[in-house]
Amino acid sequence: DTEVTQTPKHLVMGMTNKKSLKCEQHMGHRAMYWYKQKAKKPPELMFVYSYEKLSINESVPSRFSPECPNSSLLNLHLHALQPEDSALYLCASSRQGVNEKLFFGSGTQLSVL
Amino acid sequence: AQSVTQLDSQVPVFEEAPVELRCNYSSSVSVYLFWYVQYPNQGLQLLLKYLSGSTLVESINGFEAEFNKSQTSFHLRKPSVHISDTAEYFCAVTDTGGFKTIFGAGTRLFVKA
Repeated sequence: DTEVTQTPKHLVMGMTNKKSLKCEQHMGHRAMYWYKQKAKKPPELMFVYSYEKLSINESVPSRFSPECPNSSLLNLHLHALQPEDSALYLCASSRQGVNEKLFFGSGTQLSVL
Repeated sequence: AQSVTQLDSQVPVFEEAPVELRCNYSSSVSVYLFWYVQYPNQGLQLLLKYLSGSTLVESINGFEAEFNKSQTSFHLRKPSVHISDTAEYFCAVTDTGGFKTIFGAGTRLFVKA
């Protein structure tokens, strides 16, 4: 299994809603990432988890709350988002080590109304 | 800090023609270099990477890239493109000491029949 699975594929939410994005991998990777990608822009790093501990937070607003319940799962909890948060949210994983390639999921296309 | 510059936002080319997508980077430390490809409505996939050793790296689908330290470049080439190569291509760098992968703005390769 060389896949990173993200659910849901599409999500529409209001600014007062609470929702969660989910990411799962069964490759034994110990580093997992959340990226945000706006249309026609490159992915921007949000969070990195290493061995289930948060190691990088790129000054992301607190309305985004990551969680890594175990080595295979990564969640992104969303609350009180703004329309400008609409984007493609990509999860990725890698074996431990900075020279390892990133395996990306297909993303969740989020629209905030 | 590292940065990546992709000099062309769009590259239109006819099928079976050669193509070069340009990438320059800047960094005060040693880096690893990557090219990722993103097809519509999908996540990113690794195309090829340079870690060390031979400066010319190749992918299984005919792409190659050459690391040029003096020019701080990592241009991507293919001698003969196919319609199926139409996609967004991202050059990326990771410093050898951390988890952060920085992506360039992307180049949209559009292959015409």
